[in-house]
Amino acid sequence: AQRVTQPEKLLSVFKGAPVELKCNYSYSGSPELFWYVQYSRQRLQLLLRHISRESIKGFTADLNKGETSFHLKKPFAQEEDSAMYYCALSAVIWGLGTSLAVNP
Amino acid sequence: DAGITQSPRYKITETGRQVTLMCHQTWSHSYMFWYRQDLGHGLRLIYYSAAADITDKGEVPDGYVVSRSKTENFPLTLESATRSQTSVYFCASRVGMGNTQYFGPGTRLTVL
Repeated sequence: AQRVTQPEKLLSVFKGAPVELKCNYSYSGSPELFWYVQYSRQRLQLLLRHISRESIKGFTADLNKGETSFHLKKPFAQEEDSAMYYCALSAVIWGLGTSLAVNP
Repeated sequence: DAGITQSPRYKITETGRQVTLMCHQTWSHSYMFWYRQDLGHGLRLIYYSAAADITDKGEVPDGYVVSRSKTENFPLTLESATRSQTSVYFCASRVGMGNTQYFGPGTRLTVL
């Protein structure tokens, strides 16, 4: 079955610390994976997608087909990174989201 | 981002009433989607549409009806609202599968 798992509901780190938001997927074909972010009182917006291999706002995500993972990483968290992060497999299957809180 | 809008932004209704949530996009994107967002469930797909007059069920379609007579509009109707349909509803659009998805601002629906 197609599935996206984000094991952490809440992740709390201090400013300047590294952060990793985990995403594991289950999919039989070639996955199309995305990270979306929702800042407080704002609409969901795309952060990263695996085919672009770019870094947005200091975040990167690498698709690991062997481990079926697409973890989101940032070496130095900022307070403005506090938001809800969703990993998605195409448009259809979404993880439950991880709430990231970056403390001063 | 202003290219996809939803109305109303907030709606309070009563059990058993019919409610229609509107979604409009100005990009002529082929695909449009309706999601609901609930605590503990994340985003769940209700219905989606690949083009005008083509719609398909998502994960949680029961109790909802959609139509897409025009490319730019994708209304979602709750035929007989229930308390369990209290949620935040998001509409989204994209050019094609695999492309960036753009979300509307959401409609917060409360069913009393």
